[in-house]
Amino acid sequence: GDSVTQMEGPVTLSEEAFLTINCTYTATGYPSLFWYVQYPGEGLQLLLKATKADDKGSNKGFEATYRKETTSFHLEKGSVQVSDSAVYFCALMWGTYKYIFGTGTRLKVLA
Amino acid sequence: DADVTQTPRNRITKTGKRIMLECSQTKGHDRMYWYRQDPGLGLRLIYYSFDVKDINKGEISDGYSVSRQAQAKFSLSLESAIPNQTALYFCATSDAGTGDQPQHFGDGTRLSIL
Repeated sequence: GDSVTQMEGPVTLSEEAFLTINCTYTATGYPSLFWYVQYPGEGLQLLLKATKADDKGSNKGFEATYRKETTSFHLEKGSVQVSDSAVYFCALMWGTYKYIFGTGTRLKVLA
Repeated sequence: DADVTQTPRNRITKTGKRIMLECSQTKGHDRMYWYRQDPGLGLRLIYYSFDVKDINKGEISDGYSVSRQAQAKFSLSLESAIPNQTALYFCATSDAGTGDQPQHFGDGTRLSIL
């Protein structure tokens, strides 16, 4: 069945370090792909999305490229800040309603 | 004000009690969803609704029921709560569309069942 696999956390980085959070997916169709971020005590917020192969989503310095050949959508940021500490969820959507979320990756950024 | 509002934010109750979690939205979206979040399991879909007359079970609907009272309101009920329903519950909305519509989440209800 359809699924999303994320790297397990926590990922701990120093401020200004480079961030990669891996995400791979399995889908029978051609899904749209999303990254959501969850700050403590809050719901998930859309961070970025990509709707077709080779699309790059970007927002707030974060980027992810839809790679159909490797079924991946890895999240990257060149220089993380303490305020980026949160849980990041990769998700896919296809059809009219079917959203599937990964298990989330906790990021801790140390000053 | 938040676009998607969940009440209560926290609830502690006892096994066997009936509980209702409420969700209201001002985004004007037709589609609403209830998820539960458990550590290491991500989000799992309980129920979803495409409009007031269209309600569907998700992957883990056993033990839960829902009511879509209006386009803007979607409530989740636990008829007889049990401890393994202790979790963080999220309501979400989305616009109808062609498959690239993101979901918009409330801040969650943390439910503890003793």
